[in-house]
Amino acid sequence: GESVGLHLPTLSVQEGDNSIINCAYSNSASDYFIWYKQESGKGPQFIIDIRSNMDKRQGQRVTVLLNKTVKHLSLQIAATQPGDSAVYFCAENIPGNQFYFGTGTSLTVIP
Amino acid sequence: DTEVTQTPKHLVMGMTNKKSLKCEQHMGHRAMYWYKQKAKKPPELMFVYSYEKLSINESVPSRFSPECPNSSLLNLHLHALQPEDSALYLCASSQASSSYEQYFGPGTRLTVT
Repeated sequence: GESVGLHLPTLSVQEGDNSIINCAYSNSASDYFIWYKQESGKGPQFIIDIRSNMDKRQGQRVTVLLNKTVKHLSLQIAATQPGDSAVYFCAENIPGNQFYFGTGTSLTVIP
Repeated sequence: DTEVTQTPKHLVMGMTNKKSLKCEQHMGHRAMYWYKQKAKKPPELMFVYSYEKLSINESVPSRFSPECPNSSLLNLHLHALQPEDSALYLCASSQASSSYEQYFGPGTRLTVT
């Protein structure tokens, strides 16, 4: 399953499928990006980050892709599990400034 | 210890009350943050403290007053709030105030009646 962030704030996927969550960021000077996962009633939890000198970074079951040309960030989750159900935010850091969060995408995993 | 703690978890207050939210971290981080988050919305930055000094105030009304007593503690003093201030208030910390991962606390769920 795939979301386009602002236009599809919800994403439903079958357990075991791969998920792709997209984010369009606003500032071409942004040099650092983080994906956060926020479960209901909890604070945002760090998933993975990437700096602007990279275009791909992999973690455990997650991959972040950065396309600076079109100011686009994506989070890929492999073999999505029910515990992955949450709201996912991308955040961009503008040098000399602070992190700003994107709108968020709500991921629901169907068992 | 990679934890940011916040107290209380829940707070209900009237519009004439004065209350405080507390945040603590023991990771040696030198930047601390307050965010406000409304339901189904992203966190919005309110204040940034860097080395115990207020470095950013995102045009927050004066009924919210932050305080950083030392490098591990961050308070948010509340006075004469409005019902629209009801939200989840998140505290975060990071090694420095830019380009570093922020660790978030669980938040305080505030209801203003």
